[in-house]
Amino acid sequence: NAGVTQTPKFQVLKTGQSMTLQCAQDMNHNSMYWYRQDPGMGLRLIYYSASEGTTDKGEVPNGYNVSRLNKREFSLRLESAAPSQTSVYFCAISGGLAGSTDTQYFGPGTRLTVL
Amino acid sequence: SQQGEEDPQALSIQEGENATMNCSYKTSINNLQWYRQNSGRGLVHLILIRSNEREKHSGRLRVTLDTSKKSSSLLITASRAADTASYFCATMTTDSWGKLQFGAGTQVVVTP
Repeated sequence: NAGVTQTPKFQVLKTGQSMTLQCAQDMNHNSMYWYRQDPGMGLRLIYYSASEGTTDKGEVPNGYNVSRLNKREFSLRLESAAPSQTSVYFCAISGGLAGSTDTQYFGPGTRLTVL
Repeated sequence: SQQGEEDPQALSIQEGENATMNCSYKTSINNLQWYRQNSGRGLVHLILIRSNEREKHSGRLRVTLDTSKKSSSLLITASRAADTASYFCATMTTDSWGKLQFGAGTQVVVTP
């Protein structure tokens, strides 16, 4: 998890509340990703940013928005949280340019519960 | 639907034994990667094998890739209690550069 930080570590929301998950990296990598991990499943890509100023939808983008604030930071926003968004959220980075096949480095995760 | 499927879902072995897990995928890949996740933690990259490679080694890890069968295997030799974790394969397909698709993982428990 070197170089990738996520805040908060834990969060409990009520249905309909909003919140922003923050991810920051100090490895000067170009690409950043948001995943969610549900019990018994692998990670699913929500959004990614191949480089500063660009964002694209992944496999499960509905209900989320993202902002690539600068090269270091990539935030994930839930505008109106739903119980189906209860999950563990991971931020990841990779070093290469758009289209890179680099490995990914993961943050420690944010455990989100929506009641 | 998931691109990668790991088998078995769970594996319990004793220290010193070898652990083998398999990954099958559906579409052509650029590379396949294996990651480890300790309970409650983020994923850690273990090894990457490209589509034109058949076998790679890293310490006690051996990965094979058979593109004709669309499958890969991860072998951990001489397992240690510290190898207890979930192991995920992730594929980077030829039409989704930079994006990984993960399987559901294999939970490995190594008992002393």
